[in-house]
Amino acid sequence: EIVLTQSPATLSLSPGERATLSCRASQTITTYLAWYQQKPGQPPRLLIYDASNRATGIPARFSGSGSGTDFTLTISSLEPEDFAVYYCLQRNSWPQTFGQGTKVEIK
Amino acid sequence: EVQLVESGGGLMQPGGSLRLSCAASGFSVSSNYMSWVRQAPGKGLEWVSIIYRDGTTYYVDSVKGRFTISRDNSKNTLYLQMNSLRAEDTAVYYCARWAEIYYDYWGQGTLVTVSS
Repeated sequence: EIVLTQSPATLSLSPGERATLSCRASQTITTYLAWYQQKPGQPPRLLIYDASNRATGIPARFSGSGSGTDFTLTISSLEPEDFAVYYCLQRNSWPQTFGQGTKVEIK
Repeated sequence: EVQLVESGGGLMQPGGSLRLSCAASGFSVSSNYMSWVRQAPGKGLEWVSIIYRDGTTYYVDSVKGRFTISRDNSKNTLYLQMNSLRAEDTAVYYCARWAEIYYDYWGQGTLVTVSS
């Protein structure tokens, strides 16, 4: 099973600041990584797929990068609605696995 | 409009059984890959099971032999039969459509609580 490790666990930032979230895989997953955003009481929402492709309707301030084992989600300038928990998901091999999440909170 | 609506959650005693349903609209369950993903209270997401278009199924190790994923094409509904429930199965269970490279649609989830 591929383990995804997200860091940091919590990111305390102010609106307008840049957020950089990391996801590291225990073995190579090429670019088979997606990023999801989840707000309390809601299901996850797809942001990025295959490491760097923005999903339909996702603002350009969200970007993804990386390949192999190291991946990054960047939010260029935080909007109030971006404060949430972010998860990465690998589809390289079964079982699919999620990272443990990074909470982006208001400083 | 694509919609997924889960039902069937509730409070169960350890060792009990429960069947979750996920009614789909706006697309055909039989023509898609469909998964169950769960989230324990205050915890992260865990993939549980998937059923392929051809009926092939996969499970996370922790539920193998206890959970069964299935679908009823005539009702356009996905199911998760959960037997021998354990406290660690307590979670919100989401059904989601796997579009082969990402999950594009999710239900709102149904809460399963296993406790004596």
